[in-house]
Amino acid sequence: GENVEQHPSTLSVQEGDSAVIKCTYSDSASNYFPWYKQELGKGPQLIIDIRSNVGEKKDQRIAVTLNKTAKHFSLHITETQPEDSAVYFCAASGSSGYALNFGKGTSLLVTP
Amino acid sequence: KAGVTQTPRYLIKTRGQQVTLSCSPISGHRSVSWYQQTPGQGLQFLFEYFSETQRNKGNFPGRFSGRQFSNSRSEMNVSTLELGDSALYLCASSLDAARNREKLFFGSGTQLSVL
Repeated sequence: GENVEQHPSTLSVQEGDSAVIKCTYSDSASNYFPWYKQELGKGPQLIIDIRSNVGEKKDQRIAVTLNKTAKHFSLHITETQPEDSAVYFCAASGSSGYALNFGKGTSLLVTP
Repeated sequence: KAGVTQTPRYLIKTRGQQVTLSCSPISGHRSVSWYQQTPGQGLQFLFEYFSETQRNKGNFPGRFSGRQFSNSRSEMNVSTLELGDSALYLCASSLDAARNREKLFFGSGTQLSVL
């Protein structure tokens, strides 16, 4: 089945710096790649997504890039703020239906 | 617009018991998916329902089952609970429109503890 690897597992940055989280996937049929942010005590919240016919997408301080040839995609957060501190998950659509395969998550800490 | 609502928020059960979790999707969303989240395994897909039919199932034993009602509300059931079933169970809904069927919106989950 699909395998999604996510790195790093923890990331600590200073407020104002950029943060980058990287994911790789194995199923070449995957064509949808969302990113979720999960705060303590809450469910994952969709923050940005990209489809395989697009190489890059940006939404204010958040951007996602996709390299289908290399089967990897990345989340970029610029000008980080303490409220960006959370666990971030990448995911890739599976070939067997509408299920998403998730990475193991990255715990991001933004220190003032 | 109300989000995905899951009840109860917390549950404590003992081994061998069974449990039923409930999920109300976002109004207008017809697809409901269930995921199990644990620190070790992360988020794992359980099953997905659309129009009261299970369309996809993950790699979980038959003790895990679910159903969807005509109003799109869904329930999942776990029978003969084991210690390893302790987890956060997340429900997600989607529009199931051709372009946005994978765009999932999650509830806050039900935290199940099996003692």
